Amino acid sequence: QVQLQESGPGLVKPSQTLSLTCSVSGGSISSAAYYWTWIRQYPGKGLEWIGYMFHSGSAYYNPSLKSRVTISVDTSKNQFSLKLTSVTVADTAVYYCARDFGGNSGEFDPWGQGTLVTVSS
Amino acid sequence: QSALTQPASVSGSPGQSITFSCTGTSSDVGTYDLVSWYQQHPGKAPRLIIYEVKKRPSGVSIRFSGSKSGNTASLTISGLQTEDEADYYCCSYTGSSSVVFGGGTKLTVL
Repeated sequence: QVQLQESGPGLVKPSQTLSLTCSVSGGSISSAAYYWTWIRQYPGKGLEWIGYMFHSGSAYYNPSLKSRVTISVDTSKNQFSLKLTSVTVADTAVYYCARDFGGNSGEFDPWGQGTLVTVSS
Repeated sequence: QSALTQPASVSGSPGQSITFSCTGTSSDVGTYDLVSWYQQHPGKAPRLIIYEVKKRPSGVSIRFSGSKSGNTASLTISGLQTEDEADYYCCSYTGSSSVVFGGGTKLTVL
């Protein structure tokens, strides 16, 4: 059974780059037509899709974040990563990684447990 | 892309049936049968309960069902139980390899 686990700094200063990694266990990140996804949730509020990437390199991003986001896949480590540049306090959220099992369809299962990232000086 | 529209809260009593709405546009819900629903308990990650409008993943109770009409998708929970109290989010593919979530509905079981 595939499991995902986020890791990375819980505190980032404004204007810096947020970097998170998602480790995939129980299956290969290169298998099948899955898209590896980042989603965030503002404190007490709804979910926002950040973007997803296929292991071979095709990546798609939320238009509202596209200029600041990069998602990459490291097949040798069975991990994928998120970089969000020029962060502000508005980027404070719980960040989840997930697998889009429908292949670029918005159907996410499983999810990681989430990691809170606070942007503050 | 605008978020899908969900009521902020709904409530029901144990044993009742309750339906959540999720309204999008002809660019997302109205065009694609790629609507999914997620259940989220406090402090937990969301859990997929419906995908492709009405399909249930293995292990999800048959009390959960989904449907769609026009630009509005719906999630129905029958035989409401106390453990169903949670936040529920809808999600739709929007074309151009993009995805949008709803704002979420808080379910209170009275």
